[in-house]
Amino acid sequence: GEDVEQSLFLSVREGDSSVINCTYTDSSSTYLYWYKQEPGAGLQLLTYIFSNMDMKQDQRLTVLLNKKDKHLSLRIADTQTGDSAIYFCAESLDRDDKIIFGKGTRLHILP
Amino acid sequence: DARVTQTPRHKVTEMGQEVTMRCQPILGHNTVFWYRQTMMQGLELLAYFRNRAPLDDSGMPKDRFSAEMPDATLATLKIQPSEPRDSAVYFCASASLIRGPTDTQYFGPGTRLTVL
Repeated sequence: GEDVEQSLFLSVREGDSSVINCTYTDSSSTYLYWYKQEPGAGLQLLTYIFSNMDMKQDQRLTVLLNKKDKHLSLRIADTQTGDSAIYFCAESLDRDDKIIFGKGTRLHILP
Repeated sequence: DARVTQTPRHKVTEMGQEVTMRCQPILGHNTVFWYRQTMMQGLELLAYFRNRAPLDDSGMPKDRFSAEMPDATLATLKIQPSEPRDSAVYFCASASLIRGPTDTQYFGPGTRLTVL
């Protein structure tokens, strides 16, 4: 069945890089996403990657995809206090198909 | 700036009462989703529609939940009767393949439901 797994917590010092990892099971997923949710707020799409890509960079964000191992990662360079949030890894077969979410990784920034 | 709107943003009700949540998808989007977020289960799909027809409602408790799209600009999620375990944030999202290859699913701000 469809499943997305990610670790629940990550603590990083301000200024360091954060790396959040995720594994998924559905090899037919075409879209892989990273969403950010701040406390009490909605879901913000940070970035997404097509399954035929292995890397995507957008300013401080770098997404790496290892399709063979079904492993997705999000790297946030120069982590700042405003990056403190829950980050959800997610997948879908197509962009108008249902999205399967992981449980979210809570990123805590240490001073 | 097109966005998905949801009403109400917050709802507090008593067990047994009917709750109706509304969603206005982005104009032109033909696929609408309802997701629920709880601490225990995380984010899970309840139901979704394409061109107003229900495609998948397997995530929805059928005895008390119902989802409809009376027209292309309105989706509703109704709970009757509501129970405390229904307390959650309910997100609506919309999407379309027609708008181009880089367009993705857009989420509304959510309805925070508390059932006492």
